[in-house]
Amino acid sequence: GQQVMQIPQYQHVQEGEDFTTYCNSSTTLSNIQWYKQRPGGHPVFLIQLVKSGEVKKQKRLTFQFGEAKKNSSLHITATQTTDVGTYFCAGTHGSGNTGKLIFGQGTTLQVKP
Amino acid sequence: DTGVSQDPRHKITKRGQNVTFRCDPISEHNRLYWYRQTLGQGPEFLTYFQNEAQLEKSRLLSDRFSAERPKGSFSTLEIQRTEQGDSAMYLCASSVPGQGREKLFFGSGTQLSVL
Repeated sequence: GQQVMQIPQYQHVQEGEDFTTYCNSSTTLSNIQWYKQRPGGHPVFLIQLVKSGEVKKQKRLTFQFGEAKKNSSLHITATQTTDVGTYFCAGTHGSGNTGKLIFGQGTTLQVKP
Repeated sequence: DTGVSQDPRHKITKRGQNVTFRCDPISEHNRLYWYRQTLGQGPEFLTYFQNEAQLEKSRLLSDRFSAERPKGSFSTLEIQRTEQGDSAMYLCASSVPGQGREKLFFGSGTQLSVL
């Protein structure tokens, strides 16, 4: 079936270090979204990428969508303790015009102050 | 607070019992989704509604699961004859279609524990 794999599963960094999580799909995606889930919380939408090769930035966060629309990455520069949480990528197939998303397993980020 | 609201936050039940969860979406959102999340995993799609119509159900949704959205506003998810494998966080999300690709607004979830 259609799968979205995410690595690494866990990442521990020292505050100020960079962090990257990678997302790979077995099939071409129509778009990809990223969500953040704080411990004990619910997923919160961060961003959506639609175009092949697209790059978007939100302050210290940089999101990329691969040329083949099968992979994506999230890079955080100079992590802060507020970045702690689990980051999920979620893709859609077909027309992509629904919120039926296939989520990756998530990457849990711990930041040591 | 005008976010997605779910009730109850926690539910503990014995195997074989029926449970029902409620979701109130953001008022102007006409699409409503149910997802299930187990520990260490991402949310898995279960079903979704556009207004009162249930448009798609996942194969994960066995016959013991039923969802309704009778007036196109709140939704309920019922699990009959619960099993221990049903223990999970049940997340509801809502969205507005027709504004490009959909962005989901999730509720805080209902944590189900089946003993």
